[in-house]
Amino acid sequence: ETGVTQSPTHLIKTRGQQVTLRCSSQSGHNTVSWYQQALGQGPQFIFQYYREEENGRGNFPPRFSGLQFPNYSSELNVNALELDDSALYLCASSPTSGSRLEQYFGPGTRLTVT
Amino acid sequence: AQSVTQPDIHITVSEGASLELRCNYSYGATPYLFWYVQSPGQGLQLLLKYFSGDTLVQGIKGFEAEFKRSQSSFNLRKPSVHWSDAAEYFCAVGAQERGGADGLTFGKGTHLIIQP
Repeated sequence: ETGVTQSPTHLIKTRGQQVTLRCSSQSGHNTVSWYQQALGQGPQFIFQYYREEENGRGNFPPRFSGLQFPNYSSELNVNALELDDSALYLCASSPTSGSRLEQYFGPGTRLTVT
Repeated sequence: AQSVTQPDIHITVSEGASLELRCNYSYGATPYLFWYVQSPGQGLQLLLKYFSGDTLVQGIKGFEAEFKRSQSSFNLRKPSVHWSDAAEYFCAVGAQERGGADGLTFGKGTHLIIQP
């Protein structure tokens, strides 16, 4: 059984640019949540996608947006990148049968903004 | 809003010794509680979870945790640590209201160092 996968592994962008990160959920999972983890901190919830719609959002500005596709994979888009956006971005998927809080994480995408 | 406190930033334990990592949460209703482990540069691996029922839960890799409502705590324990347990450990809380749509709230983590 393949777990949650994310691409790319690492990414370097310039301030003001836009970035798209991708996540494939685990088989049998239909909900995807995204988190930002700054260096030395715990992950912070960005948003959650269920049935291809955003159904919950943390304290992040609108320039953080996302999509979920019919196969339950997901994208995180960040516009107008700022230096503080440099972080590890984690995607997590949740089982179709069970709580959406039961989350299984991918390896993350390390984003560096210069 | 819920919150999680992990009082210990770093803990050093000798290999073979027992371990207890502390976690205190703040949440009005019955919380859903989790422990995750993160190795350097990696994602998070779910060690165990508590939703309801028996307050002592068993997880993977020989870990267990005990939910104590009166103390708002969910401490992680292991009777004998191995060098491979060295990692960052995160406690997290979630609210089942709104179907879990508000995601998990994580503590800042405890860095576990294993001495030979």
